[in-house]
Amino acid sequence: QLQLQESGPGLVKPSETLSLTCTVSGGSISNSGYFWGWIRQPPGKGLEWLGTIYYNGGTYYNPSLKGRVTISVDTSNNQFSLKLESVTAADTAVYYCARRKVIYNYFDPWGQGTLVTVSS
Amino acid sequence: QSVLTQPPSVSAAPGQKVTISCSGSSSNIGNNYVSWYQQVPGAVPKLLIYETKERPSGIPDRISGSKSGTSATLGITGLQTGDEADYYCGTWDSSLSAVVFGGGTKLTVL
Repeated sequence: QLQLQESGPGLVKPSETLSLTCTVSGGSISNSGYFWGWIRQPPGKGLEWLGTIYYNGGTYYNPSLKGRVTISVDTSNNQFSLKLESVTAADTAVYYCARRKVIYNYFDPWGQGTLVTVSS
Repeated sequence: QSVLTQPPSVSAAPGQKVTISCSGSSSNIGNNYVSWYQQVPGAVPKLLIYETKERPSGIPDRISGSKSGTSATLGITGLQTGDEADYYCGTWDSSLSAVVFGGGTKLTVL
């Protein structure tokens, strides 16, 4: 059964870069039928899509993040990563990684999520 | 505000039926598949409906999805207290080249 697990610092200082990694187990990240994505959820608020990557490195990003986000893939380690630059308190959220089906655009499964707090 | 519009809350009694709407446009719901997610407080979002009306394995048939034009609907019959959760719709927006989610709907089973 495919599983995803987020890892990275739980506390980031304002203006610095948030970095998270998602490790995929039970299946290959190089499966051509899927994208791999990041979604976040600020405390008490809804879901926000951050971006998606394909195994060959092709990416889509949320335009509202204005170029602050970068997603990369490491097929040799079955991982993909998120970098969010110049963070502020508004970037405090639970960050989820998830697998997204090509064409049909649904996310399943999801990682357990990791809370990242932006604070000095 | 979200590209997809959902009512903030809905409620119904146990055993009754409820529908949750998700309104969009031709660039998203009108021409793309819709998915629905259930999020119990403190838990990870769970896929309920994909490809607009399909249920993953393990999701009971009292859960249904449909679409008409630029609006999608999630239906839940035989409401149970365990259905109390937040529900989100999602799809692809071809104009934005972005995945978009609704703002979420809180379901209360009275």
